[in-house]
Amino acid sequence: GEDVEQSLFLSVREGDSSVINCTYTDSSSTYLYWYKQEPGAGLQLLTYIFSNMDMKQDQRLTVLLNKKDKHLSLRIADTQTGDSAIYFCAEERLSGGYNKLIFGAGTRLAVHP
Amino acid sequence: DGGITQSPKYLFRKEGQNVTLSCEQNLNHDAMYWYRQDPGQGLRLIYYSQIVNDFQKGDIAEGYSVSREKKESFPLTVTSAQKNPTAFYLCASSASGTNEQFFGPGTRLTVL
Repeated sequence: GEDVEQSLFLSVREGDSSVINCTYTDSSSTYLYWYKQEPGAGLQLLTYIFSNMDMKQDQRLTVLLNKKDKHLSLRIADTQTGDSAIYFCAEERLSGGYNKLIFGAGTRLAVHP
Repeated sequence: DGGITQSPKYLFRKEGQNVTLSCEQNLNHDAMYWYRQDPGQGLRLIYYSQIVNDFQKGDIAEGYSVSREKKESFPLTVTSAQKNPTAFYLCASSASGTNEQFFGPGTRLTVL
């Protein structure tokens, strides 16, 4: 269908790894993004991956891309309480001559002691 | 500091009134966007502008209007024709040739 899909909620213990999953729809998407939103705030770009890559690592963040299954994941190592937020994946999709971002509904990550 | 600002943070209006939300950026970005966020949903694109004096409708433009008279500014007017205007509104900008969008802090609009 048209939607970018994510599970709505994830709970992890502080210090464990978090894995947030996303499925997208357009196999021709060139870039896929992960954004973080803290309560009452705007979105902060965390990382992105180009479609010809399988993996990208940036400090505690690892992005894995499976183009065949149109599956994207974000792994946060050593999850901290400050990582509690909503995480959005977004795919870049060509529409009307313009590359627009299509966002998932967001995954709320709760980190507990 | 370079960034993107939105004002006010909270806005209350009576039903039937038009209201304008401000968005300013000093990142020298050509493109600017307005999104609407509702609880449990992703962001939906209202309007976007790739260059000064030009803008296009997004997916949910009905009941909204915009202008882009200056590169730095992209105000959004929520008109009385918008049937369900209560939401969190986010403005974003990006440089030419990239879709790496930078977001403002948002304005929460409540229509009473």
